[in-house]
Amino acid sequence: KAGVTQTPRYLIKTRGQQVTLSCSPISGHRSVSWYQQTPGQGLQFLFEYFSETQRNKGNFPGRFSGRQFSNSRSEMNVSTLELGDSALYLCASSLLGGEEETQYFGPGTRLLVL
Amino acid sequence: GESVGLHLPTLSVQEGDNSIINCAYSNSASDYFIWYKQESGKGPQFIIDIRSNMDKRQGQRVTVLLNKTVKHLSLQIAATQPGDSAVYFCAFSGSARQLTFGSGTQLTVLP
Repeated sequence: KAGVTQTPRYLIKTRGQQVTLSCSPISGHRSVSWYQQTPGQGLQFLFEYFSETQRNKGNFPGRFSGRQFSNSRSEMNVSTLELGDSALYLCASSLLGGEEETQYFGPGTRLLVL
Repeated sequence: GESVGLHLPTLSVQEGDNSIINCAYSNSASDYFIWYKQESGKGPQFIIDIRSNMDKRQGQRVTVLLNKTVKHLSLQIAATQPGDSAVYFCAFSGSARQLTFGSGTQLTVLP
């Protein structure tokens, strides 16, 4: 079974632009979570989607948004990019998103904001 | 607030020795704990998990120990190999279906 895939793998943007990242979960998984990883803050939860609905959201500004499609694929969008948004953005999927379900991570999208 | 911390940011061990990576957490309501391994340029890879009704769980060359009394989690890797060199994260899942991660420990295996 294929793992979690993320596209693109690398991205360079300039301040003020917006960006859309894509995530395809493991086949059959319906829950998709997004995380931001930076050297200073570590891994931080962004949001979680299940059945096309955002179920939970972390402490990030409204510039960070996401959505999930009927096939469970998910996208996240960051508008008005800031230098501090440079990070590795990780997507993780699980079957139903239960509290005791293992989340499996993709390779991430490395975003550099100049 | 909730937090997961690590006692040692870096750990160097000789190949063949056992490694122990520690993690402290503060949320006593945590029910599920996971260890992930992250190699350079890759996403976190699931290693082993443990639920709060257990205090020990073993996998292939890895053992996770949970001490709920002192809110401490540890990962033991037996016969550490060069391929074990990576950053190891502990994480816990609380009531909001989100994972809270520790800051990570860099494990370096020396030849």
